[in-house]
Amino acid sequence: QSALTQPASVSGSPGQSITISCTGTSSDVGNYNLVSWYQQHPGKAPKLIIYEVGKWPSGLSNRFSGSKSGNTASLTISGLQAEDEADYYCCSYGRYSTWVFGGGTKLTVL
Amino acid sequence: QVQLQESGPGLVKPSETLSLTCTVSGGSISSYFWSWIRQPPGKGLEWIGYIYNSGSPNYNPSLKSRVTISVDTSRNQFSLKMNSMTAADTAVYYCARDVDRKRFDPWGQGTLVTVSS
Repeated sequence: QSALTQPASVSGSPGQSITISCTGTSSDVGNYNLVSWYQQHPGKAPKLIIYEVGKWPSGLSNRFSGSKSGNTASLTISGLQAEDEADYYCCSYGRYSTWVFGGGTKLTVL
Repeated sequence: QVQLQESGPGLVKPSETLSLTCTVSGGSISSYFWSWIRQPPGKGLEWIGYIYNSGSPNYNPSLKSRVTISVDTSRNQFSLKMNSMTAADTAVYYCARDVDRKRFDPWGQGTLVTVSS
């Protein structure tokens, strides 16, 4: 069970949009609509921001959106704000009822 | 509102067994799946395993031989035991609710476990 592949870093200016990709295989991302995304600020626990590919937890900003095509899921953050600077992790349900995470992407707001 | 809190030793010696407990407050432990997840310093997240009520747990294949997860419904707690600890197991260990096998929410604040003699 290999980790999902994410870019190590992305950056954008306030107000812009950025997209983070998350590539898996036909045994995880490609086979289940159970991709979730987590935001993690330094020294803090991860926080759920997207689940089941494109659903929002209640009360969360809709500046975050998710999608999937084949074995690749994507997280888009629109209207970038300084507080969005954090690490982002994707996660997918996988073979044998297990979970696999991506390696994480560091978002820098310029 | 459900809250989770990890507890256990912050320092474990090489070859020894790690024991951590996650206490669930604000809701019953009986109706959900519960997972352990870890994060080595400066690295990504790794799912360790889950348990549902008193059912059979399921583990990450890469850790399966060393891990045991159990639940104590009377105390609203679930636990992690990992044997044969090495420096590579140094990490922040999180417990999290696995909602309907679809997402992890919420998470505990995490507890740093260092493996060192």
